[in-house]
Amino acid sequence: KQEVTQIPAALSVPEGENLVLNCSFTDSAIYNLQWFRQDPGKGLTSLLLIQSSQREQTSGRLNASLDKSSGRSTLYIAASQPGDSATYLCAAPTDSWGKLQFGAGTQVVVTP
Amino acid sequence: SAVISQKPSRDICQRGTSLTIQCQVDSQVTMMFWYRQQPGQSLTLIATANQGSEATYESGFVIDKFPISRPNLTFSTLTVSNMSPEDSSIYLCSVEDQGMNTEAFFGQGTRLTVV
Repeated sequence: KQEVTQIPAALSVPEGENLVLNCSFTDSAIYNLQWFRQDPGKGLTSLLLIQSSQREQTSGRLNASLDKSSGRSTLYIAASQPGDSATYLCAAPTDSWGKLQFGAGTQVVVTP
Repeated sequence: SAVISQKPSRDICQRGTSLTIQCQVDSQVTMMFWYRQQPGQSLTLIATANQGSEATYESGFVIDKFPISRPNLTFSTLTVSNMSPEDSSIYLCSVEDQGMNTEAFFGQGTRLTVV
């Protein structure tokens, strides 16, 4: 069974600093890995999806990498802004049907 | 990308009652997923809903407590039955509109408080 871990649980950075968020998974036979953002009390917004065949994916200030051999994915957010304050979750499918196993999330605070 | 509308967005309910949550997708999808997020926790899958068949429940979740309907390819409901304060959570529906193991999209969630 796929297990997903996110460390640290919380992170605070000053505005303008780059953010580095980590996600670990146990099964290297991964279909894909997806990063989400969640604002308090709200649903999830998809940020990036990295397929198994990809090493990284980029969208604007966001860049996510995938290293299957080490069981890690990293989400980089460049030049952080207070609006980036949220909880960031990574998730990987547990089977071929698309059921997702989520990490516990990293709560990010960007201070002005 | 799929657009998912979930209703209600929040509710406060009395213990012992039931609440039905609706999930409407703007495109036809094969499977819909229902997740629960307890306070301060991450998401846990409740069940997978296929159109025309019984929902498949994950360990720890049963149909009597969380009955699910999937009458067509764009709509599903989740009922939380005989509620207790322990059911206070955010409930979310999700789809992968391009097929299995493609990008997953989520509704805005239903924030349930049971008093």
